[in-house]
Amino acid sequence: RKEVEQDPGPFNVPEGATVAFNCTYSNSASQSFFWYRQDCRKEPKLLMSVYSSGNEDGRFTAQLNRASQYISLLIRDSKLSDSATYLCVVNIDTGRRALTFGSGTRLQVQP
Amino acid sequence: ETGVTQSPTHLIKTRGQQVTLRCSSQSGHNTVSWYQQALGQGPQFIFQYYREEENGRGNFPPRFSGLQFPNYSSELNVNALELDDSALYLCASSTGGVETQYFGPGTRLLVL
Repeated sequence: RKEVEQDPGPFNVPEGATVAFNCTYSNSASQSFFWYRQDCRKEPKLLMSVYSSGNEDGRFTAQLNRASQYISLLIRDSKLSDSATYLCVVNIDTGRRALTFGSGTRLQVQP
Repeated sequence: ETGVTQSPTHLIKTRGQQVTLRCSSQSGHNTVSWYQQALGQGPQFIFQYYREEENGRGNFPPRFSGLQFPNYSSELNVNALELDDSALYLCASSTGGVETQYFGPGTRLLVL
C-alpha cells in the first residue's frame, strides 16, 4: 500500500467550476501536510500547508482529518491557469525529515 | 523563482555509466534534499544533507551517493546506471526544518 494515495484523475472541469481533490495517508505518525502544484515538465511548488483547523488561501481551501488520515483541497472558481498536477505531501517524522509525495492528481480546466 | 539551481538541465547516458548532478541551494539554506521523479509518479526521497552530513536516506541502493560542500551546494552521484534510473532528479533546499522545501528546476536524465 502506498504511503500517500491520490486519485490520478484527470479531472476535466469548465472554467468557474469548483473541484475537490482528496488524499489519504497510511502512517498515523505523519506530522506535517502540504499541497504542492506541479506544472508539466516543471518542479513542484508549494501551494499551501495544511493544518488541522483547516486553512484558506484565496480560492484554495485545505482540510486535514487526522482521525481518518485524510487531506483535501478545494479549488473554487477554477481558472485556466489552475491546470496542473496537484501533489499531496506528508512529512513522516521518523528522523528522515523527508517529504513523502502522492502520485498527484491532474487537473485540466477547460474554457 | 526559488533561487535553487541545478545542472545540467538534461543528460543522456548509457547503461553502466556514472553521472554527477549538481545543486546550488537558496541563500541562507543549509539543507539539501534529493528526489527522483519517474514519469507519472510523485517525487521519491533519495537522501538529505544537513551541514555537510547525510541526514536521512530513502529506499535507494548504495550506488546513489552524494555530498554537500561548505557553501551548502550538493552533488548526487549515480554509479552503474540502469534503464530505470531515467527520471527527473530534483533537489530541494530548506533551513533544516521540513516545513518548507524549495525545489530547483530539476535535471532530466535519460539512460539508454
